[in-house]
Amino acid sequence: DTEVTQTPKHLVMGMTNKKSLKCEQHMGHRAMYWYKQKAKKPPELMFVYSYEKLSINESVPSRFSPECPNSSLLNLHLHALQPEDSALYLCASRKAEQGRYGYTFGSGTRLTVV
Amino acid sequence: SQQGEEDPQALSIQEGENATMNCSYKTSINNLQWYRQNSGRGLVHLILIRSNEREKHSGRLRVTLDTSKKSSSLLITASRAADTASYFCATDHVSQKLVFGQGTRLTINP
Repeated sequence: DTEVTQTPKHLVMGMTNKKSLKCEQHMGHRAMYWYKQKAKKPPELMFVYSYEKLSINESVPSRFSPECPNSSLLNLHLHALQPEDSALYLCASRKAEQGRYGYTFGSGTRLTVV
Repeated sequence: SQQGEEDPQALSIQEGENATMNCSYKTSINNLQWYRQNSGRGLVHLILIRSNEREKHSGRLRVTLDTSKKSSSLLITASRAADTASYFCATDHVSQKLVFGQGTRLTINP
């Protein structure tokens, strides 16, 4: 298995809803990432998990809450989002030995906040 | 911000021609990577060049890296319609951050 699987592919949620995005990989990668991408812009880093521990939070608002229950799974819990949070949310993983390998990205969850 | 610049922002060429994209960055890096993205979906890793390498090839791709100028280029030879996509350079840092450039939208005309 050489893929990062993200679910759901599309999500529409109201500003008072609570939802979660899920990311899964079975490549034994021990670093996992969440990125946010607005239309016609580059992906922007949100969170980095290394060996299931949060190592980087790029000053992301607390309405986004990441979770890494095990080495294969990464969640992003969403609560009280704003319309400007509508974007493509990408998950990525890489081998622990940084510097030698590229990252594997999922196909993303397209989130619309109404 | 660590984000780099890419140029051109958009490039349109005829099928069979070569396409060259450039990337500049600001801080020291472990390596530099190039990714392709089709229609706003997931990114596909194309090639990685380490900070101590100057040139790398993979199929129709050629990447160069000049760490003294903090710049890289991606050359796609003999372009095909299927190469139409957005291309991003990304710098990999000791801090574990992978930081993307602004991207180049490449259109291959049949």
